[in-house]
Amino acid sequence: SQQGEEDPQALSIQEGENATMNCSYKTSINNLQWYRQNSGRGLVHLILIRSNEREKHSGRLRVTLDTSKKSSSLLITASRAADTASYFCATDARDYGQNFVFGPGTRLSVLP
Amino acid sequence: GAGVSQSPSNKVTEKGKDVELRCDPISGHTALYWYRQSLGQGLEFLIYFQGNSAPDKSGLPSDRFSAERTGGSVSTLTIQRTQQEDSAVYLCASSPSDSRQPQHFGDGTRLSIL
Repeated sequence: SQQGEEDPQALSIQEGENATMNCSYKTSINNLQWYRQNSGRGLVHLILIRSNEREKHSGRLRVTLDTSKKSSSLLITASRAADTASYFCATDARDYGQNFVFGPGTRLSVLP
Repeated sequence: GAGVSQSPSNKVTEKGKDVELRCDPISGHTALYWYRQSLGQGLEFLIYFQGNSAPDKSGLPSDRFSAERTGGSVSTLTIQRTQQEDSAVYLCASSPSDSRQPQHFGDGTRLSIL
């Protein structure tokens, strides 16, 4: 698998349900970021979590980071149709010979 | 406020032609990135500029690809002798300093090679 790989590739839920997306990576990192991309648009930054942090919240978003398992999760609570988008994790491993690396993304569909 | 601006938003050209894609980063951002995104895929890193340092070109897929950043601001990505496999969305992003900070993306240039 590649650095910064999201799981699942696609997720379909009903409005009001929670959505959980996971990201795994291989090398040590400085930080991990989650981005959102609406169809035909650029990426929008959601949350940055540093390697010494375990959990961060922003509104309906909750991100966790487990550096021992080299994984992160993004939880969107009480989802809305407007949350329909692709979600990407990105790892900053520049100190370890890699550039900013994005995973292939999770395509989230929230059905009204 | 002004975000990252990319032009053109769409470009259709014939195989073998050269193309230039432009990126205007957010004013004051010293870091600038180019990525390529194929349909339904993630982002492929191409090149990274940071201030006056030599750019990191490690992601450029071939010598047909080049980029420059003039005056530490506007950047141009040039693809020479385009091939059909170059068809993709080319995204530009900038950040205030380095890769430890969030990146701000433009909406990309959708390049189609006929």
